[in-house]
Amino acid sequence: DVKVTQSSRYLVKRTGEKVFLECVQDMDHENMFWYRQDPGLGLRLIYFSYDVKMKEKGDIPEGYSVSREKKERFSLILESASTNQTSMYLCASSLWGLGRTQFFGPGTRLTVL
Amino acid sequence: ELKVEQNPLFLSMQEGKNYTIYCNYSTTSDRLYWYRQDPGKSLESLFVLLSNGAVKQEGRLMASLDTKARLSTLHITAAVHDLSATYFCAVEGGSQGNLIFGKGTKLSVKP
Repeated sequence: DVKVTQSSRYLVKRTGEKVFLECVQDMDHENMFWYRQDPGLGLRLIYFSYDVKMKEKGDIPEGYSVSREKKERFSLILESASTNQTSMYLCASSLWGLGRTQFFGPGTRLTVL
Repeated sequence: ELKVEQNPLFLSMQEGKNYTIYCNYSTTSDRLYWYRQDPGKSLESLFVLLSNGAVKQEGRLMASLDTKARLSTLHITAAVHDLSATYFCAVEGGSQGNLIFGKGTKLSVKP
């Protein structure tokens, strides 16, 4: 079974803190994605990566950065957390190419106070 | 800009009834995905539709794709309580396989 794991299920941080969200997949997938999910807005793509050290901006990259140093790991970084970044963050992975199912991790619910 | 619209956004059904969720999208694409999300859980892949006319069925759910009409449907037959969840459709929007999601349809099946 494909497994995508995220480092925390729940996280509470203060405004201005630097926040790291980690995602690991064990199926040798080339593509990895970070989304945020908010009520009434669905899922929105923050960043994705199709190879080690490669990254592409999604629809809402402002306030975020990413790092992919190893194929299995994709990190989302909030350089200076703000209250409007309180959200559910979902990581996904897939094989390279089109027509490939994305497999999602369990999500991290981040609250910024 | 690719847009994906689902309707209805909320659906309350009685057990045993049939209903259809619609997913319209704004640009040409041959690849559409349906996911299910239970409360507090992550997304689970239901169907992958990869060509015009594709139809997939699993239990009481059937999904179809009409790329000319830019429309996918998720049909629910004889609903049961276990189908209560939020259903998302997503269309492949970029060259690397990134997905554009609809806002989701929250389905509640009542006895």
